[in-house]
Amino acid sequence: GNSVTQMEGPVTLSEEAFLTINCTYTATGYPSLFWYVQYPGEGLQLLLKATKADDKGSNKGFEATYRKETTSFHLEKGSVQVSDSAVYFCALRTYGNNRLAFGKGNQVVVIP
Amino acid sequence: DTAVSQTPKYLVTQMGNDKSIKCEQNLGHDTMYWYKQDSKKFLKIMFSYNNKELIINETVPNRFSPKSPDKAHLNLHINSLELGDSAVYFCASSQTGHREQETQYFGPGTRLLVL
Repeated sequence: GNSVTQMEGPVTLSEEAFLTINCTYTATGYPSLFWYVQYPGEGLQLLLKATKADDKGSNKGFEATYRKETTSFHLEKGSVQVSDSAVYFCALRTYGNNRLAFGKGNQVVVIP
Repeated sequence: DTAVSQTPKYLVTQMGNDKSIKCEQNLGHDTMYWYKQDSKKFLKIMFSYNNKELIINETVPNRFSPKSPDKAHLNLHINSLELGDSAVYFCASSQTGHREQETQYFGPGTRLLVL
């Protein structure tokens, strides 16, 4: 089946630090990959996506590259702000399968 | 011009009650979903409808019954509420077709607390 693994535990870092959140996946079929963000008290927002190998999704300074050889889709941002504090979810979906499989999410806390 | 909207945003109720959550999307999508987010933030799909037809029905107690009166609406009715039903329920929608199109867009969530 389809599954997504995110690194364990919250991430706490200082403003302007570099952020990486790891995401690896297993999938039956060729997946599309997504990062969603959930700000405190809000719903899920699509942050970025990539639908084929070597594609790079980017938005709001965040980037993730679809790496088929390592089955990974790590999220990065070069200089985080306090407003980036949120929970970040990696997710995948295989074509024709309506289920989005989510990782467990990572709480990111950015300290001024 | 909210794309996916849910009502109510907050719902506090007593055990044993029956309640409904409503979802509407104005994106013209043909597929809608209900997800449950537990206290640890884990998200799991519950149901999906495509053109008013149920296509995903995960292992969910039959106290939960989705209803889709048309493509733009998907409601969730919960009978005999239990403490363990406390969670955030998200509605989402997507358009079937080319893989570029099949992105799911989420509503703001309904925070259900059963006392």
